[in-house]
Amino acid sequence: NAGVTQTPKFRILKIGQSMTLQCAQDMNHNYMYWYRQDPGMGLKLIYYSVGAGITDKGEVPNGYNVSRSTTEDFPLRLELAAPSQTSVYFCASTQAGAWKETQYFGPGTRLLVL
Amino acid sequence: RKEVEQDPGPFNVPEGATVAFNCTYSNSASQSFFWYRQDCRKEPKLLMSVYSSGNEDGRFTAQLNRASQYISLLIRDSKLSDSATYLCVVTGDFGNEKLTFGTGTRLTIIP
Repeated sequence: NAGVTQTPKFRILKIGQSMTLQCAQDMNHNYMYWYRQDPGMGLKLIYYSVGAGITDKGEVPNGYNVSRSTTEDFPLRLELAAPSQTSVYFCASTQAGAWKETQYFGPGTRLLVL
Repeated sequence: RKEVEQDPGPFNVPEGATVAFNCTYSNSASQSFFWYRQDCRKEPKLLMSVYSSGNEDGRFTAQLNRASQYISLLIRDSKLSDSATYLCVVTGDFGNEKLTFGTGTRLTIIP
């Protein structure tokens, strides 16, 4: 199993550009999550999904969108990049819910918005 | 008060020493508690879950005190490979998908 994979590993965007961060898992997990981690800060939940076709907002959803058309994939869309979105983005998954069991994280995408 | 509070460190500890980290949380309804380890520029990885009865995994011991809303992690006989940032993670109540991460405690083991 590859576990949780993320692409790209690193990206530089100009202000106002858009991009999609890809996340895929091959563990047949129902729950998937997107987090951002700013320097010296804890991870903040952006969006999460409890299954295909179901998504919900986390703590910091503004400026982002998600979709979950399959169990495996959970892309994160940035429509109008802003410098405040410079961060490291982690995707995670779990079978039975974050409140119950550990999450498995992808290697992260480092995003720089200039 | 922060939802999850940790001493950011850094803790610089000689190899072989014992080191302890503490974490406090504000939501008394929190159900599950974890310690994650994060190496520099890497993703967080589960170190251990924390149970009310306390649990041990080799050189690592975790304790939970629900009454005081306090979690601890003890590392004995520290190794150079223990150098990392340790994240305290607290869940919400039943069915709540929001995990709250502490900002982490940075540990460096000195040869």
